[in-house]
Amino acid sequence: DTAVSQTPKYLVTQMGNDKSIKCEQNLGHDTMYWYKQDSKKFLKIMFSYNNKELIINETVPNRFSPKSPDKAHLNLHINSLELGDSAVYFCASSQASNSGNTIYFGEGSWLTVV
Amino acid sequence: SQQGEEDPQALSIQEGENATMNCSYKTSINNLQWYRQNSGRGLVHLILIRSNEREKHSGRLRVTLDTSKKSSSLLITASRAADTASYFCATAFTGTASKLTFGTGTRLQVTL
Repeated sequence: DTAVSQTPKYLVTQMGNDKSIKCEQNLGHDTMYWYKQDSKKFLKIMFSYNNKELIINETVPNRFSPKSPDKAHLNLHINSLELGDSAVYFCASSQASNSGNTIYFGEGSWLTVV
Repeated sequence: SQQGEEDPQALSIQEGENATMNCSYKTSINNLQWYRQNSGRGLVHLILIRSNEREKHSGRLRVTLDTSKKSSSLLITASRAADTASYFCATAFTGTASKLTFGTGTRLQVTL
């Protein structure tokens, strides 16, 4: 019944490795997001896809590459992991609306780079 | 930065008391939303107020919006221990309705 599910929930990896986080939503939404929350709880948007098309790409290193095989999935691949990539990554989805989007978040993926 | 800022950063109250959190932002908005985040969990949407609305209620929640002052407040009445969480305001700026920019959050602690 989980609306937005992401895996893995916890990930500990060494610097320089490549890792992926997967996300799926079963809400029928047409827009999906990746947000990053740092140790100070600051939450910042990274990417947004609408119907598999990239619509928001904030200033994110190109080591981060999102992939949306269909509108229900948005995966995040990270190359050459650095210590500063340690954070909680949240996948989210919404249905596009001119009156405002309510965003539904996954439970987060805790990434620790050592 | 367009990021909103919540005030206070942390708030500790006793059960039954009211909790008020404030949010300020810098540019014109389409709407403003409040979210709650329990420790170790994702964010949960609480309430959305549009730029042409001034007040909105949902259960024990009351949200106000003053676009002239670029500020919003979230009032939780008769707080409960289960309300302990971080609360974030998020703004959708005019022309970017699909992009929410989150504030820095208020950590609320409700004690018995």
